[in-house]
Amino acid sequence: AQSVTQLDSQVPVFEEAPVELRCNYSSSVSVYLFWYVQYPNQGLQLLLKYLSGSTLVKGINGFEAEFNKSQTSFHLRKPSVHISDTAEYFCAVSALGGGATNKLIFGTGTLLAVQP
Amino acid sequence: DTGVSQNPRHKITKRGQNVTFRCDPISEHNRLYWYRQTLGQGPEFLTYFQNEAQLEKSRLLSDRFSAERPKGSFSTLEIQRTEQGDSAMYLCASSLKGGTGGNTIYFGEGSWLTVV
Repeated sequence: AQSVTQLDSQVPVFEEAPVELRCNYSSSVSVYLFWYVQYPNQGLQLLLKYLSGSTLVKGINGFEAEFNKSQTSFHLRKPSVHISDTAEYFCAVSALGGGATNKLIFGTGTLLAVQP
Repeated sequence: DTGVSQNPRHKITKRGQNVTFRCDPISEHNRLYWYRQTLGQGPEFLTYFQNEAQLEKSRLLSDRFSAERPKGSFSTLEIQRTEQGDSAMYLCASSLKGGTGGNTIYFGEGSWLTVV
């Protein structure tokens, strides 16, 4: 079974400042890792995903994340945030393997609140 | 629009009534997922279809819940004898099957259910 921990329920940050949203996971099997963003009253949109290869993954809207296997982490970063980045961010994992359902297991989310 | 479509977007119902939600996945996607999301929480997996076959159901999916995907196209999620605890957003998602997984899962905008 897999689980995801997002320790920060809310991260306030000023516009144009850098931000890091933390994600740690637990799994008995190899996993794929994802970050999704959810704007108010909307569904989820994929920001980026790590499947294999380079541990630094670049996504949309200037976000990037780094996979750290030894620390079982997949933290999301952005060097300079905008007001429009205000949203809920979810880290998720899915089990690797052709027979897997690839269902996503989500963390509880982190609200990124960008202030002017 | 080639995204995942859900309707109705909002439903208010009295306790004890039945409700049905519909999901139209991205046309070429053969995998379809239902999730439930309550306020302040991440989405929780409910069930998964590959084509018309329902291959996995979460323990969250009580006997009052039933999902179908006739002909492997659209899907419906019915909740019978609704309870106030069923109030949540119900998210549908779809993806392609292939390889060892990791295919992007695309989400609809969700269907909000309020049971009064």
